[in-house]
Amino acid sequence: QKEVEQNSGPLSVPEGAIASLNCTYSDRGSQSFFWYRQYSGKSPELIMSIYSNGDKEDGRFTAQLNKASQYVSLLIRDSQPSDSATYLCAVNDNDYKLSFGAGTTVTVRA
Amino acid sequence: GAGVSQSPRYKVAKRGQDVALRCDPISGHVSLFWYQQALGQGPEFLTYFQNEAQLDKSGLPSDRFFAERPEGSVSTLKIQRTQQEDSAVYLCATSILPGSYEQYFGPGTRLTVT
Repeated sequence: QKEVEQNSGPLSVPEGAIASLNCTYSDRGSQSFFWYRQYSGKSPELIMSIYSNGDKEDGRFTAQLNKASQYVSLLIRDSQPSDSATYLCAVNDNDYKLSFGAGTTVTVRA
Repeated sequence: GAGVSQSPRYKVAKRGQDVALRCDPISGHVSLFWYQQALGQGPEFLTYFQNEAQLDKSGLPSDRFFAERPEGSVSTLKIQRTQQEDSAVYLCATSILPGSYEQYFGPGTRLTVT
């Protein structure tokens, strides 16, 4: 499996702040990138997908992709306590398989 | 139900026992994946089915692990002669199309081998 590295957490941010999560990947041929949110004791939930360079916004979430730098990030604006979770970066490994990072745990302080 | 379901949610097995974990996919989803997630890690790929065909089993850790999806719907992951290192959460995920990476996960089965 290809390598997917995420910035080590945990990341603690005050309510209302921006949480910034980073992910790098080893395979320059990867084309599809995903962010999953996983609450403690629950299964991963897909929150963002991005396929081309640039930014993609969905509500308070913005994904950023830079294929030249092999880097993908997730910004959470106006962080809420309900955003406290582990965020997993996933990158396509081949035509169907995803490789996941170890995750970054975010805690939003009220 | 509308989502992926898995059973049992929790399983405790004595070392050496065989276990069977079930996944009921979203209706009509062609692709089905099994992942293993250790504590503090991301999911690790085990195997992939497209309908009833097992196209990739490269992630299965040993020949004690076996998966099937005989009618292209429900899938079973079987682990024979369980070992302590098999303790993990086993996640099933499905996607509507072959080659679609937007995978939807079930709640998982937490396996503890004592």
